Amino acid sequence: QKEVEQNSGPLSVPEGAIASLNCTYSDRGSQSFFWYRQYSGKSPELIMSIYSNGDKEDGRFTAQLNKASQYVSLLIRDSQPSDSATYLCAVNTLIQGAQKLVFGQGTRLTINP
Amino acid sequence: DTGVSQDPRHKITKRGQNVTFRCDPISEHNRLYWYRQTLGQGPEFLTYFQNEAQLEKSRLLSDRFSAERPKGSFSTLEIQRTEQGDSAMYLCASSRADTQYFGPGTRLTVL
Repeated sequence: QKEVEQNSGPLSVPEGAIASLNCTYSDRGSQSFFWYRQYSGKSPELIMSIYSNGDKEDGRFTAQLNKASQYVSLLIRDSQPSDSATYLCAVNTLIQGAQKLVFGQGTRLTINP
Repeated sequence: DTGVSQDPRHKITKRGQNVTFRCDPISEHNRLYWYRQTLGQGPEFLTYFQNEAQLEKSRLLSDRFSAERPKGSFSTLEIQRTEQGDSAMYLCASSRADTQYFGPGTRLTVL
C-alpha cells in the first residue's frame, strides 16, 4: 500500500464549478498535511496546510482533514481555467527526528471554459 | 518566487559523467531537503539537512549520490557516473518549521 494515495485523474470540471480533490494516507502518526499545486514543467507551489481535524478556508480553497479516516481533501470553489494543474497531497512524516514530506502521485485537474 | 534558488535550471549530460547541482535556501531557514521527481509521479524524498548536519538519507540515494551543506547555508547534490535512470527533476526545498517551500528545480537529462 502506498503511503499517500490520490486519484491520478484526469479530473475535468466546468469553469465556475467546485473541484474536489481527495487523498488518503497510511501513517496514523502524521500531524501535518499540505496541498501543493504544480503547473506543467514547474515546481510545486504551496496552496494550503492543515493540522487539525475539520475545515480550513483560504479564499477559494478549503482543505478538510479527518485523522480518524486518514483522509485529506481540497475543495476549489468557482474554478478558473488558471486552476488547471496537478495537485499534490503531501503528508509530513517524522523519522528519527528528521521530517520529510511523502507525496501522492498527484491529481491532474482540468477546468473547462 | 519562493526565495529558494537552484542552479542550473537545466542540465544535459552524457551517461557516465558527473554532475553537481546547487541550492540556495531562504536565508533564515535552517532545514533543507532534496527531492527527485519523475514524470507523472510526486516528488520523492532524497535527503534532509538541519543546519550543516545531514540527518536522513533515502535508500533511493545510492553510493553515486552525495549531498553537502557546508556551514549550513547552500547545499550541493552531486551525482557521479550518471545513468539514464537519473533523468528527472531535482527539487530543493527549505523550511524553518514543517512547511517546505520549493525552488524551481533542476531538470537533468542523461543521454
